[in-house]
Amino acid sequence: EAQVTQNPRYLITVTGKKLTVTCSQNMNHEYMSWYRQDPGLGLRQIYYSMNVEVTDKGDVPEGYKVSRKEKRNFPLILESPSPNQTSLYFCASRPNAGGSYEQYFGPGTRLTVT
Amino acid sequence: LAKTTQPISMDSYEGQEVNITCSHNNIATNDYITWYQQFPSQGPRFIIQGYKTKVTNEVASLFIPADRKSSTLSLPRVSLSDTAVYYCLVGSLIFGTGTRLQVFP
Repeated sequence: EAQVTQNPRYLITVTGKKLTVTCSQNMNHEYMSWYRQDPGLGLRQIYYSMNVEVTDKGDVPEGYKVSRKEKRNFPLILESPSPNQTSLYFCASRPNAGGSYEQYFGPGTRLTVT
Repeated sequence: LAKTTQPISMDSYEGQEVNITCSHNNIATNDYITWYQQFPSQGPRFIIQGYKTKVTNEVASLFIPADRKSSTLSLPRVSLSDTAVYYCLVGSLIFGTGTRLQVFP
């Protein structure tokens, strides 16, 4: 089944403790991205990647890192999480950067930073 | 990037047709119009995409007038399960706050 998976689905952590949220897709998509969703603010793009080893900042990249060493994986790294990074995070992928804007989203990761 | 404006919320009843209009006055020549649906605590789901005139799939129809400065997502005969937030995107993957559709029995 074609899908985007994220892990963990729920995470409660403390300020400053490094964490990684994994994202994997099995559709051989070139383009992957991370969003965060907060009440009243909609979805905001954090980082995106057009292909392996090609990443770029989205609208709200501060406090986050990403890497794209393999086509299928696009982990989101929070080196020193802070409470304002408490949010619902979504990973998404699409075939490539051009053409259709049909993206496939993962199930989400709800992160709480205390 | 084209800015989009859509109603914050809409109410409907089961079995009715729902039309959600999105304004995008500064749409660029190459921009496509894309609509997504999102249920609570789930990732958005692609519904439909179009460039001009009318596009229809098994879920919805998308109407785009000749000037392309607006578009209308049409959901035929909605059911309770269509209660969700609907996002209009133009030429990008930038999501706004969407339209919250509530369907009542």
